[in-house]
Amino acid sequence: LAKTTQPISMDSYEGQEVNITCSHNNIATNDYITWYQQFPSQGPRFIIQGYKTKVTNEVASLFIPADRKSSTLSLPRVSLSDTAVYYCLVGDRGNTPLVFGKGTRLSVIA
Amino acid sequence: GAGVSQSPRYKVTKRGQDVALRCDPISGHVSLYWYRQALGQGPEFLTYFNYEAQQDKSGLPNDRFSAERPEGSISTLTIQRTEQRDSAMYRCASSLSAGSGSPLHFGNGTRLTVT
Repeated sequence: LAKTTQPISMDSYEGQEVNITCSHNNIATNDYITWYQQFPSQGPRFIIQGYKTKVTNEVASLFIPADRKSSTLSLPRVSLSDTAVYYCLVGDRGNTPLVFGKGTRLSVIA
Repeated sequence: GAGVSQSPRYKVTKRGQDVALRCDPISGHVSLYWYRQALGQGPEFLTYFNYEAQQDKSGLPNDRFSAERPEGSISTLTIQRTEQRDSAMYRCASSLSAGSGSPLHFGNGTRLTVT
């Protein structure tokens, strides 16, 4: 399974755009990139998934360069409620389980 | 139900006792996963099922841990002869189909404390 590396923590002010980058140098051809969000006392929640280029939904955007060795989760205009741990996972459609790393702890400050 | 349901929410047990943790997945979800999460850490994979078949149990720490999903729906994670190091949040997740293309839906977990 491809290993991922993320920053341990990030701070941001309310209203700013936050970009969290994940490295996955040994990503395999069939691997997808998936991001989860976890609030304290809750289980992780799916945010977004992509294979290449750019994916956007109502919550976030995911940017994946051509070599796919990294990906960037972009959260537009964060609010205090976006304070959470964000996990980047890599795996292929037929190969579970997904392995969670330590994630990135995002703290949004007023 | 609307989401993944786990019970009990909290479990306190004495060292050496057996415990059974229950997971009721989202109706119709094929795959069911068990994770364990220590404070400040990401979820650690334990085992998973497709329907009633256990596909991978490589994450179970030792033979005191077992899991079953006899009818392809509700699953039970059993820990025999509990030890203090087993204390953690145990999380269950389900997905509509197998593979990473199908997002995981997590329950709120069972907090196990072994005294």
